Amino acid sequence: NAGVTQTPKFQVLKTGQSMTLQCAQDMNHNSMYWYRQDPGMGLRLIYYSASEGTTDKGEVPNGYNVSRLNKREFSLRLESAAPSQTSVYFCASTFTGGGYEQYFGPGTRLTVT
Amino acid sequence: GENVEQHPSTLSVQEGDSAVIKCTYSDSASNYFPWYKQELGKGPQLIIDIRSNVGEKKDQRIAVTLNKTAKHFSLHITETQPEDSAVYFCAASPLDSWGKLQFGAGTQVVVTP
Repeated sequence: NAGVTQTPKFQVLKTGQSMTLQCAQDMNHNSMYWYRQDPGMGLRLIYYSASEGTTDKGEVPNGYNVSRLNKREFSLRLESAAPSQTSVYFCASTFTGGGYEQYFGPGTRLTVT
Repeated sequence: GENVEQHPSTLSVQEGDSAVIKCTYSDSASNYFPWYKQELGKGPQLIIDIRSNVGEKKDQRIAVTLNKTAKHFSLHITETQPEDSAVYFCAASPLDSWGKLQFGAGTQVVVTP
């Protein structure tokens, strides 16, 4: 099992550009999450998907959109990137009918200039 | 919503000594408290968790204690080793919240030989 995979690993954008971060899991998990990690602030939830076909806002959703493409894949889109979105982005998944452990991907380091 | 505070933000210990990290939470509905370890350049990984019907849980050199009345929980690492050097995050969640976690800001632990 690859677990949770994320692409790309690194990305540099100019202000106003758009991009999509990809996430996939092969553990048959029903719930998936997008977090951002900033120094001194821990991990903050951007959006989550409790099950295939549903998405909902987390703590910091402004400036982002998500798509739960199927049970395996959950993408995060920045429509018009801003310097405040410079961060490390993590995707995670879990089976909410089980032990609730969240499995994290390796992260995407995004810089917006 | 839930608010989790974590202390200290940095912790330096000599190899072989114990390390203790403390977290407090605000929402009395929270009943699931995981701890994650994040090594440099990687995503967080669950190391131990506890549910509110248990006061203490141990796994080899790691233990977690929970005081629901005072709304705080702690991670204890005994006989620290250099490979314990990492950032540790506490989190809290109600079990019926589709796995949504509120994370603390993290503790950078440095174990010196």
